[in-house]
Amino acid sequence: GESVGLHLPTLSVQEGDNSIINCAYSNSASDYFIWYKQESGKGPQFIIDIRSNMDKRQGQRVTVLLNKTVKHLSLQIAATQPGDSAVYFCAEWWAGGTSYGKLTFGQGTILTVHP
Amino acid sequence: EAQVTQNPRYLITVTGKKLTVTCSQNMNHEYMSWYRQDPGLGLRQIYYSMNVEVTDKGDVPEGYKVSRKEKRNFPLILESPSPNQTSLYFCASSFSGGQPQHFGDGTRLSIL
Repeated sequence: GESVGLHLPTLSVQEGDNSIINCAYSNSASDYFIWYKQESGKGPQFIIDIRSNMDKRQGQRVTVLLNKTVKHLSLQIAATQPGDSAVYFCAEWWAGGTSYGKLTFGQGTILTVHP
Repeated sequence: EAQVTQNPRYLITVTGKKLTVTCSQNMNHEYMSWYRQDPGLGLRQIYYSMNVEVTDKGDVPEGYKVSRKEKRNFPLILESPSPNQTSLYFCASSFSGGQPQHFGDGTRLSIL
């Protein structure tokens, strides 16, 4: 498959473990955050999002935590499965006084799940 | 099925030969965007469009053109491709800027 990054942070876990992927964002004015999953040869796929007026949001097996004080975002994956192996990106969106704003992506983290 | 479709998926071409990468979405989204993805640099926005005939530059627009004549289509044009435009390109769409974007499966361009 295509290489999406060199020297990205990596996380290796055993199947069934919980995974935590971290992301530091840059703009304290960002008001919307998204986590994407990218599998080899595919485009980024939406996982979960969170608005800045929240500090936690849960989905199916995934939880996103937002700490605005330190500009930190994390993605928790419960009971990680081999199919969760992928590159995970966080993205921050800043309205900037417009109706479309600006979406900026982090560098990504490679998650490898061992059976 | 809701999707963003890019064509071609792979293209090898030579410097200076004009090319167009097409992007089409079937979700009636107003917002469309092009990104390039390079090792170690993540996804960087090239151009975006808020609606028909409304486009604006992203972070790395040099060497690219776009048009939005119809709501569903947002082609990326390289008038005179150069080797530094060798990259993996993604088209994305969403209802508006502050909504999750749906991505196509990418176009791998190699400019020799």
